[in-house]
Amino acid sequence: EDQVTQSPEALRLQEGESSSLNCSYTVSGLRGLFWYRQDPGKGPEFLFTLYSAGEEKEKERLKATLTKKESFLHITAPKPEDSATYLCAVQTPRGATNKLIFGTGTLLAVQP
Amino acid sequence: NAGVTQTPKFQVLKTGQSMTLQCAQDMNHEYMSWYRQDPGMGLRLIHYSVGAGITDQGEVPNGYNVSRSTTEDFPLRLLSAAPSQTSVYFCASRDRGSRAFFGQGTRLTVV
Repeated sequence: EDQVTQSPEALRLQEGESSSLNCSYTVSGLRGLFWYRQDPGKGPEFLFTLYSAGEEKEKERLKATLTKKESFLHITAPKPEDSATYLCAVQTPRGATNKLIFGTGTLLAVQP
Repeated sequence: NAGVTQTPKFQVLKTGQSMTLQCAQDMNHEYMSWYRQDPGMGLRLIHYSVGAGITDQGEVPNGYNVSRSTTEDFPLRLLSAAPSQTSVYFCASRDRGSRAFFGQGTRLTVV
């Protein structure tokens, strides 16, 4: 069964304290892995797409990497405005359409 | 650019009532979908559509109906609301790169 697991469930960092979020997946035929950011009371907002092992994408303090079994979202020198829930999703070719399977997210709190 | 617009933002229903959650997108995306988000369960796919006139069931379709008469609109109907349908509902459209764009969500409470 296709599955996406994110860890940790929650993470509290001090401003400037770098860390990583993990997204591990078991899918047959990965078509793409997506990272989203979700602020309280809002819909998820797209951050990155990764397609193949070894690929990396960067945006400001965030860098996403991908291996054959997992993806990491590295946060370098975070600021309080980086506080949010980060969601990972994988796209599988199962069925007639390519569905997205979401993890349950990591709630990140960055304290000043 | 409005993106994906959902209405209403909040709704309280009594058990057994029906209602329609509205979703509209202005990005000309063919693929649209509805998710529900519950604590500890992540986003779960209810129904999706790959184009006007074409819909299909997702992971948790029971109690919900959809239709897609135009590219822009994808309403979700609750036939007879139950407390188990208390949730936050998100509509999303996807571009050709499969990036999903979400609406702001509808917080539904069924009492």
